[in-house]
Amino acid sequence: GAVVSQHPSRVICKSGTSVKIECRSLDFQATTMFWYRQFPKQSLMLMATSNEGSKATYEQGVEKDKFLINHASLTLSTLTVTSAHPEDSSFYICSARGVPGYEQYFGPGTRLTVT
Amino acid sequence: EDQVTQSPEALRLQEGESSSLNCSYTVSGLRGLFWYRQDPGKGPEFLFTLYSAGEEKEKERLKATLTKKESFLHITAPKPEDSATYLCAVSRGQNFVFGPGTRLSVLP
Repeated sequence: GAVVSQHPSRVICKSGTSVKIECRSLDFQATTMFWYRQFPKQSLMLMATSNEGSKATYEQGVEKDKFLINHASLTLSTLTVTSAHPEDSSFYICSARGVPGYEQYFGPGTRLTVT
Repeated sequence: EDQVTQSPEALRLQEGESSSLNCSYTVSGLRGLFWYRQDPGKGPEFLFTLYSAGEEKEKERLKATLTKKESFLHITAPKPEDSATYLCAVSRGQNFVFGPGTRLSVLP
């Protein structure tokens, strides 16, 4: 149980284009979903938290107009990187939390490369 | 300020050589301490949740313990497949604060 999927697993895009990443909880309803970014050999950095049907809460320093998050249902959240630049290249990981409990279950991650 | 540190940063063990990883935290209103395992290029895999001092959880060769200021992840007779980065996180409200992780290598 508690399986989270992400799609795509890898994406390469050109500078200036937008990329959408999907995160789905497959066998539970996720009241809250989280988006993280991870640089090589570093820990996870929380970007934003989203509750179903509400606007996402972004961490300090994360541009909300650049990283658009939509949590339209209890099983799906999307992260859109708009006008991507090479510095946006990173490993993006989503997680989901259901009820009860505070555990977060993570997706397999998406490797974004902007050329 | 909420803070989570982990030590050592990296650890190399011979197969069968038991050891412990440390996670120290300062957080107000702790709602749980979590251990995850992360393999390169993958998302973290949930291992344990600990809620109160004195609590212990076990899974195969892993055992997690919790005190008021730190948690230990004990690895008994590790195998090469236990090689990974082990992350701990504390929950304050709905968000996690992650530690930097310990990179474990188990040599055959």
